[in-house]
Amino acid sequence: AQSVSQHNHHVILSEAASLELGCNYSYGGTVNLFWYVQYPGQHLQLLLKYFSGDPLVKGIKGFEAEFIKSKFSFNLRKPSVQWSDTAEYFCAVNAFGNEKLTFGTGTRLTIIP
Amino acid sequence: GAVVSQHPSRVICKSGTSVKIECRSLDFQATTMFWYRQFPKQSLMLMATSNEGSKATYEQGVEKDKFLINHASLTLSTLTVTSAHPEDSSFYICSINRDSDSNEQFFGPGTRLTVL
Repeated sequence: AQSVSQHNHHVILSEAASLELGCNYSYGGTVNLFWYVQYPGQHLQLLLKYFSGDPLVKGIKGFEAEFIKSKFSFNLRKPSVQWSDTAEYFCAVNAFGNEKLTFGTGTRLTIIP
Repeated sequence: GAVVSQHPSRVICKSGTSVKIECRSLDFQATTMFWYRQFPKQSLMLMATSNEGSKATYEQGVEKDKFLINHASLTLSTLTVTSAHPEDSSFYICSINRDSDSNEQFFGPGTRLTVL
């Protein structure tokens, strides 16, 4: 079975700072990788996903993530954060061909104006 | 626009009562829907996979008699928490898979259940 770990539980940044949230997974086979965001009071929304091709994935709102297979990592990055990026961020993985998603514990991001 | 809806958005009930939560796929015929549970400040845990026209598949440790799932149509799945107790208080979220290539899931807004 796969598992996902997110090392940062709570990150606090000032506006315009650069962001990198860590995500590592454990699974020996081919995987699909996702980053979801949950804004306060809203439902989970997809930020970006990787399932094949270029390991550098661009998502919405200026976010990107890089799949490094050798490190089993899929870190989320944004060069300059905004106050509106304050939210909970979840990394998730499913095994190729399997619909079941396994989520990381989430990272709470707080942006200070 | 919204792809998945849930009703109710929040419910408060007394211990021992049963609560039904609906999950609707608004513009997609979903043969499979997923039910998750999210405790405060924790991640989503998959409870079960709801299969249209057949029995749900429950994850290890989830009581199927406690959490009854019915997927009677391609657009509706229901989760019934039977004989609810305070420890069942949680945020329940459903999702559908609309992309068979990437298995991307679309999530409902969730239902906050509080059992007194």
